[in-house]
Amino acid sequence: DAKTTQPTSMDCAEGRAANLPCNHSTISGNEYVYWYRQIHSQGPQYIIHGLKNNETNEMASLIITEDRKSSTLILPHATLRDTAVYYCIVRGSGNTGKLIFGQGTTLQVKP
Amino acid sequence: SQTIHQWPATLVQPVGSPLSLECTVEGTSNPNLYWYRQAAGRGLQLLFYSVGIGQISSEVPQNLSASRPQDRQFILSSKKLLLSDSGFYLCAWNRLANTGELFFGEGSRLTVL
Repeated sequence: DAKTTQPTSMDCAEGRAANLPCNHSTISGNEYVYWYRQIHSQGPQYIIHGLKNNETNEMASLIITEDRKSSTLILPHATLRDTAVYYCIVRGSGNTGKLIFGQGTTLQVKP
Repeated sequence: SQTIHQWPATLVQPVGSPLSLECTVEGTSNPNLYWYRQAAGRGLQLLFYSVGIGQISSEVPQNLSASRPQDRQFILSSKKLLLSDSGFYLCAWNRLANTGELFFGEGSRLTVL
């Protein structure tokens, strides 16, 4: 599976959009981009995933560049409860579903 | 609806003692099951995964073992704990075997003294 690069940390003001970038320049054609977040002392929570089209759900939007070498997770109106470590993971299709987590981005939402 | 449970939630054990952490999934059948560990201040490390009863794949060599005696039960064990086994252990499962959408349990925090 392709490696990903994320900033170590980011700040965001409460109520503003949080835009979390991820680089995955070695992604291959059958690999998906997944985003998870982990609030302190809890298990990771699935947020969203995509292949090449932009995706949106009740939690966030995922914007994938046309060349698929990078993506951005957007939390449209960040709240204090969105403070967490956000993981971007690239994974090929397969029959196990195992995910390899990197270090992620620590997002601090400030009042 | 599907749920996943882990226990115990916290555990303090002396070096050299045995370990058993249990994970069960309810409301689904034939799930893929996973054990991850998160050491203090570190990222999540995949330890084991299982695609069926009795089928265990180990991702990294270590002092731990895993077993799957029943379809929805996944156990993490050690015969003799090391200080380096301390960490936050998370069990997870797949809704569909070919997706990366994992559902995680509440975690078990192990401190080895």
